[in-house]
Parts: sequence; structure tokens; C-alpha cells
Amino acid sequence: NAGVTQTPKFQVLKTGQSMTLQCAQDMNHNSMYWYRQDPGMGLRLIYYSASEGTTDKGEVPNGYNVSRLNKREFSLRLESAAPSQTSVYFCASPSWSGTQYFGPGTRLLVL
Amino acid sequence: RKEVEQDPGPFNVPEGATVAFNCTYSNSASQSFFWYRQDCRKEPKLLMSVYSSGNEDGRFTAQLNRASQYISLLIRDSKLSDSATYLCVVRRNSGGSNYKLTFGKGTLLTVNP
Repeated sequence: NAGVTQTPKFQVLKTGQSMTLQCAQDMNHNSMYWYRQDPGMGLRLIYYSASEGTTDKGEVPNGYNVSRLNKREFSLRLESAAPSQTSVYFCASPSWSGTQYFGPGTRLLVL
Repeated sequence: RKEVEQDPGPFNVPEGATVAFNCTYSNSASQSFFWYRQDCRKEPKLLMSVYSSGNEDGRFTAQLNRASQYISLLIRDSKLSDSATYLCVVRRNSGGSNYKLTFGKGTLLTVNP
């Protein structure tokens, strides 16, 4: 039982490049979330998926797209990366009791 | 007013000290409360839930005051390994069976030898 897994762990992009961050959970949870974490800003919600087939915007969705591929997988796509998207990205999935289980994070640097 | 606000910190304390973190929340419809711990360059992990009657887990005590919309975390006899960022988290229903978790910005604690 791996919990929440993310790939890649690290990525360096040039401005304008695209990439997809992958996330998977093996806990059979319905909901999945994508956050970004920046110094002094805390965790900010980008997008979430309450259940398979649904996605909704969070606090900071601009510049991102998501896909809830199936119950296990929830990907985050940057179509044209910008330096402002340099951040640490966390995928998470809550249990029914509200405990949020996080993946190990992806550190992204956009040059 | 931000939905969840915490002491900005950072806190630097000697080993063995008692340290308290405070947190306030603005939405009275909030239903569940948590403290998370985040080690440097790691993901946040649940430290403990916070119950209305207050709860204790070893050296850690969490308190909730719904009337004042205030949550606290007390760490007694602090250890070097307690050094981390502590996040206050509030959960509320956002419609139907959906819930919204809101994280505070966190308070950095450094325990010194």
C-alpha cells in the first residue's frame, strides 16, 4: 500500500515548455487534490476532483489543467510553463474522516 | 480576514521547553480541525485531530474553543526531533458530500540542543 505517489520528483523546464505531473493513489478514495506550496504562501489549492469524472477549480487554477483519468489517477498539466509556476506541487487524497494524505511532492523550477 | 490564521513564527526553543501554537479560523461552519506536521522538504502529515473536549497524545495536547474559533497545540518537553513546520487545518462541508480543507501558512519550530 503505497498511499499517494507522484512523478517526477524534480523537474526543470524552460519558459513555454509543457509538462504533466502524475499522481496516483491506491487507497480507493473518491477525492483527489493538487496543491502548490510557496515560501510565505502556504499550501494553495489548484484543482480538485471530488469523484471520478469531475474536476473543479481551486484557489489558483490559472495556467493549469487537470485530468481525472480514473479513480486512482489525477494528473496536472502545465501547457506553457512560466517562472511564476516554480513551486513544490503536492497531490493529496483525503480519507472519509478528513485526513489528507499527501504524495512526496514534485519540485519544479521554470527558467 | 483569512480563513485560517496562525502565529507567523518562527519559534526557537531549547530542548525540554514547552511551546504553544495558536490558530484562529473565520468560518463558524467549520466542522473538523487538525494539526499537521511538515518536515523540511517533505510532505505534510497528520499530527493529530482536535476534538471539542481537547485531546492529548503523549507530549502533545490540542485544544479547541468553538466560541472563540480558536485552536491550539501545546508541545511539552520538546525534543530536537520536534523541529518542523506545524500547520493548522480546518475542514468544512462545501456542498453535498464535498468537504473543503483549508491550511494555515504554518509555524516553523526549531528546537535547539
